[in-house]
Amino acid sequence: GAVVSQHPSWVICKSGTSVKIECRSLDFQATTMFWYRQFPKQSLMLMATSNEGSKATYEQGVEKDKFLINHASLTLSTLTVTSAHPEDSSFYICSARRQGRDYGYTFGSGTRLTVV
Amino acid sequence: GIQVEQSPPDLILQEGANSTLRCNFSDSVNNLQWFHQNPWGQLINLFYIPSGTKQNGRLSATTVATERYSLLYISSSQTTDSGVYFCAVKETSGSRLTFGEGTQLTVNP
Repeated sequence: GAVVSQHPSWVICKSGTSVKIECRSLDFQATTMFWYRQFPKQSLMLMATSNEGSKATYEQGVEKDKFLINHASLTLSTLTVTSAHPEDSSFYICSARRQGRDYGYTFGSGTRLTVV
Repeated sequence: GIQVEQSPPDLILQEGANSTLRCNFSDSVNNLQWFHQNPWGQLINLFYIPSGTKQNGRLSATTVATERYSLLYISSSQTTDSGVYFCAVKETSGSRLTFGEGTQLTVNP
């Protein structure tokens, strides 16, 4: 299979603090991982593409200084929400794709962030 | 970028009923997946189906790539089928997966 593990599942933090979310591919190597954000009752929106060993590519309108992405190894990407504010409260999901003919994209279980 | 439209946006069924969910997309794709998002937010991959037909138990899916649509069939629906169903596609050129707005399915006992 292709398993992606994401931690933590949920986190509550105070306004102004930073939160790190980890995304790991457990049984395959992922040179590229993807970070999505989902607001209640809405679809998933791509925030950024994480590239192993190089800078992430951010979608238009996503602040790269607020959402720091690090993809230091072939199995780990991290998303750090810096100086979090209540409007950053959301559901964040990572994804990766195992190379091969019949593999699609696999998603982590998501992280529900609440900033108080 | 590619546009993905899902219909219907909402669907309410009685347990045991059958349903068909549709996904239209605006450009050529080489990846199409159907997901079920459970109440805890987890995306469960139902089908990887860029073309053709697949079946898995009570679920089946068909993608007609040349006509740019895909269908998800749910037969003998159960209350546990409730949730949001997303269609997501990847354009032939590119690496990003684009999601539709989803179909909210409610199955009542």
